[in-house]
Amino acid sequence: AQKITQTQPGMFVQEKEAVTLDCTYDTSDPSYGLFWYKQPSSGEMIFLIYQGSYDQQNATEGRYSLNFQKARKSANLVISASQLGDSAMYFCAMNTGTASKLTFGTGTRLQVTL
Amino acid sequence: DSGVTQTPKHLITATGQRVTLRCSPRSGDLSVYWYQQSLDQGLQFLIQYYNGEERAKGNILERFSAQQFPDLHSELNLSSLELGDSALYFCASSPRDRVVEQYFGPGTRLTVT
Repeated sequence: AQKITQTQPGMFVQEKEAVTLDCTYDTSDPSYGLFWYKQPSSGEMIFLIYQGSYDQQNATEGRYSLNFQKARKSANLVISASQLGDSAMYFCAMNTGTASKLTFGTGTRLQVTL
Repeated sequence: DSGVTQTPKHLITATGQRVTLRCSPRSGDLSVYWYQQSLDQGLQFLIQYYNGEERAKGNILERFSAQQFPDLHSELNLSSLELGDSALYFCASSPRDRVVEQYFGPGTRLTVT
């Protein structure tokens, strides 16, 4: 069975600064995918970024990058140049093998301040 | 806007009742997933359909059932509702069975009183 751990229930960051949200995972399957989603207060789940277990390079999407450290089983999300609109819950998730269903962590609430 | 639509947006009902949540996937997506987000359980996978057939099952209660129709929309049926069923129910879709992203709908907030 797979497991996602997000140990930071809440984080604060100043506008324009970079922030790292931690995510560790556990699986015995060599093939897996790692995802980050953003959930604003309005409730919708917004897909941010994906990293495959066999991808050689860290994924990047605009201001989002995924710091993938396979040996440490970590998949931290880095948000550069934080904006007030980045304030939200952030969820790390994974799927494994041939299964598409996502297993989610408990989330980190990010608050961006002036 | 992810392109996934869910209706209704909000639903308030009483214990013991039955409700149906509806999801239309993104155009062309064959896979539909249902997730439940509650305060005590977090985000949990319920069930997946691929092109009309059940593909995977998670922690879905026997009181819950789902189906995917020929036009690919899906319905999640919740019966004999209990207070603990109050949650945000998400539908997500992806183009194929094994994909690199799932796009979520806006969710249906169910309140059982």
